[in-house]
Amino acid sequence: DTAVSQTPKYLVTQMGNDKSIKCEQNLGHDTMYWYKQDSKKFLKIMFSYNNKELIINETVPNRFSPKSPDKAHLNLHINSLELGDSAVYFCASSPAGSTRGNTIYFGEGSWLTVV
Amino acid sequence: AQTVTQSQPEMSVQEAETVTLSCTYDTSESDYYLFWYKQPPSRQMILVIRQEAYKQQNATENRFSVNFQKAAKSFSLKISDSQLGDAAMYFCATANRDDKIIFGKGTRLHILP
Repeated sequence: DTAVSQTPKYLVTQMGNDKSIKCEQNLGHDTMYWYKQDSKKFLKIMFSYNNKELIINETVPNRFSPKSPDKAHLNLHINSLELGDSAVYFCASSPAGSTRGNTIYFGEGSWLTVV
Repeated sequence: AQTVTQSQPEMSVQEAETVTLSCTYDTSESDYYLFWYKQPPSRQMILVIRQEAYKQQNATENRFSVNFQKAAKSFSLKISDSQLGDAAMYFCATANRDDKIIFGKGTRLHILP
């Protein structure tokens, strides 16, 4: 049973296209996140949602739009893809925010390559 | 702003030996948590160990332990009896009441047979 699942795992697409990465967690967690890991392996938070409400929105281009239809899902839509968007995107979840001592669970990552 | 610094981009250790990965952080919070995550070639992020800042006792998980020096803002990870499966990128991270986890840039650990 995969706790946090993302699809697709691999995605190759052309510049200018619009793409989505889906994420679902079956842990009953309240909080979900999107992280980006660039080519230098640097992992940085993009967004955080708590019970479908946007909590954290780091300095991310507005071409990136998260959508949370319910608290078990947090999808990432990217419009007008650019070469610099190539990265591994990790979805994650935690019960009620990591500050309460709860573990954050990561998905397996979605490797996006823009050509 | 919170920052996490891992000053060792790469390290190597002989199998069965002990290795320590360094991490320093900066935060103005008094209530925060510290983590070490492991990322093997499969890219899955796996929690190795976590520490509550208010606890003075160092966390341990089997062969993994930390040396938490709160005043020095240091949080190093010690891996004892290193195994080939320990080869991975290791990320130090901190989280505070703003619900953000801030990661360091990682240390790639090689295990030499």
